[in-house]
Amino acid sequence: GDSVTQMEGPVTLSEEAFLTINCTYTATGYPSLFWYVQYPGEGLQLLLKATKADDKGSNKGFEATYRKETTSFHLEKGSVQVSDSAVYFCALSGAFGFQKLVFGTGTRLLVSP
Amino acid sequence: DGGITQSPKYLFRKEGQNVTLSCEQNLNHDAMYWYRQDPGQGLRLIYYSQIVNDFQKGDIAEGYSVSREKKESFPLTVTSAQKNPTAFYLCASSIKVDVLNYGYTFGSGTRLTVV
Repeated sequence: GDSVTQMEGPVTLSEEAFLTINCTYTATGYPSLFWYVQYPGEGLQLLLKATKADDKGSNKGFEATYRKETTSFHLEKGSVQVSDSAVYFCALSGAFGFQKLVFGTGTRLLVSP
Repeated sequence: DGGITQSPKYLFRKEGQNVTLSCEQNLNHDAMYWYRQDPGQGLRLIYYSQIVNDFQKGDIAEGYSVSREKKESFPLTVTSAQKNPTAFYLCASSIKVDVLNYGYTFGSGTRLTVV
């Protein structure tokens, strides 16, 4: 079945460092890919998405490119801030049947001043 | 503004009690979902509903029940049969036929603690 694998955390960075959180997927057909962010004690918010190969999703300085050849959707940010500290979830929506999201296990990011 | 409202934000349950978590949306979304989140385990799907008066079990449905009598509402009951109910519960909704483009919208969660 469809699945998403994320790098384990926590990822600990200093402010203004470069961020990469790896995400790879297994799916049949051409899924859509998403990154969600969860701040402490809150629900998940959609951060960015890409619906077809080579698409780049971007929002709030974060970017991710849908790479079909490597089945990856890595999240990047050039300069992180303390306020970016959160848990980040990679997810995919299968292309067939009832379109249910499949989530990775989440990666916690901790940014220190 | 449209969105999903979960209540209460914090809930305490005594051993042997049933409790019901509320989830209401005014987004006119067709589908609704309940997830459980435990530390370090990501999200696990409990139940989901594609249309009114219909719902399906997710991966961890045992000890839980749901109803979908109205499009806007999808309450979750945690029964006494759920042996380890302490967790953070998240409700979500989606446009049934266009998750590919829009994904899910999530509520802010309910933290349930057994006392």
